[in-house]
Amino acid sequence: EVQLLESGGGLVQPGGSLRLSCAATRFTFSSYGMSWVRQAPGRGLEWVSAISFTGDSTYYADSVKGRFTISRDSSKNTLYLQMNSLRAEDTAIYYCAKKSVIGSIFGYYFDYWGQGTLVTVSS
Amino acid sequence: EIVMTQSPATLSVSPGERATLSCRASQSVSTNLAWYQQKPGQAPRLLIYGASTRATGIPARFSGSVSGTEFTLTISSLQSEDFAVYYCQQYDNWPLTFGGGTKVEIK
Repeated sequence: EVQLLESGGGLVQPGGSLRLSCAATRFTFSSYGMSWVRQAPGRGLEWVSAISFTGDSTYYADSVKGRFTISRDSSKNTLYLQMNSLRAEDTAIYYCAKKSVIGSIFGYYFDYWGQGTLVTVSS
Repeated sequence: EIVMTQSPATLSVSPGERATLSCRASQSVSTNLAWYQQKPGQAPRLLIYGASTRATGIPARFSGSVSGTEFTLTISSLQSEDFAVYYCQQYDNWPLTFGGGTKVEIK
């Protein structure tokens, strides 16, 4: 079965940086768009960023635009999220999610999710 | 940005009863709407996509429907494992947006 394993979370001071990784296995990573979704403690889901299966197209929530960068390395079957200028409101569990529909630039809903990695921004 | 509004925030239902959850979009999203279930400490699970198509392995007691910009998730007969938080998500336009969630609790 598809597996997504996030890593890279931790405690960081406001203004700091972190890079999250998501290792993907048991599916053809290069054929699917991917996304990051976060969930602040006790709150709902918030979409953060997405990347097309080719990596040519990237999309961001306004709340992270200019601070976060999504990328992928299909040779390593890994998705990344570079997070800079972190703020307290970025504190959340960050989930990596696989787009359900193969290829295509449409239909960004997600059939597999990782277990998440916790990012805490605090001094 | 398309705002997704879910109601009610909390739904108290007895096992075996029917649960009806609503999700309203601030503008048309066609049928580009998904529903997810999330249990405490777990990642979300895809239930429905295309407003009414069940995802692989989802029991038939879960169904989705749409009328204009109003979407409904119905659980026909609640089982113990169905008590959870449910989210809708539109994927018609960027940015993708989720509703605030409906918690289905045991009455």
